[in-house]
Amino acid sequence: QQQVKQSPQSLIVQKGGISIINCAYENTAFDYFPWYQQFPGKGPALLIAIRPDVSEKKEGRFTISFNKSAKQFSLHIMDSQPGDSATYFCAAKDSGGSNYKLTFGKGTLLTVNP
Amino acid sequence: DADVTQTPRNRITKTGKRIMLECSQTKGHDRMYWYRQDPGLGLRLIYYSFDVKDINKGEISDGYSVSRQAQAKFSLSLESAIPNQTALYFCATRGMGGEQFFGPGTRLTVL
Repeated sequence: QQQVKQSPQSLIVQKGGISIINCAYENTAFDYFPWYQQFPGKGPALLIAIRPDVSEKKEGRFTISFNKSAKQFSLHIMDSQPGDSATYFCAAKDSGGSNYKLTFGKGTLLTVNP
Repeated sequence: DADVTQTPRNRITKTGKRIMLECSQTKGHDRMYWYRQDPGLGLRLIYYSFDVKDINKGEISDGYSVSRQAQAKFSLSLESAIPNQTALYFCATRGMGGEQFFGPGTRLTVL
């Protein structure tokens, strides 16, 4: 059972464009939603995270939009740059008995063309 | 120096061989994790540990074992490697805020 569904699997954007990656979940006990960025040959690194008490969080060109009623959250990358080319993973943490772990989406390979 | 290190970074082995992947961290975190990454499947949890005496199975623990030698060291073993264990393996630690910090990964190929 996939608890966090991520789309699209891959995305190609032109430099300066907006990249949008979406995630959906079913478990209403999730209380922490991070996005991880992974460059080739590297481990994933935390990019930005949000908790369900806010609908949006912005850090520089990266914004998380969170829709609690729809159980969806998305990552927006404004003014996308070739250096943003990487794999992006959404994730979620349970507030209950499974709060030791993150449940990851399957990842989105973003390519930003110059 | 990196906070979470993994050795080796690359390993090619043959079916049936025993393999150990090692992870060390300098972050002082109690919680450590081993994940496996396959193309299109994301990150799947193999084992996790809350401290030296507390080790737990994750989603895909069959064929794997772990050892927490100290707070800073967490090793993953494949007792008898098989080709479908070819993957990228990541060690991670977790801070109090919930963020997980990943190592650089080990690329394992089982022939």
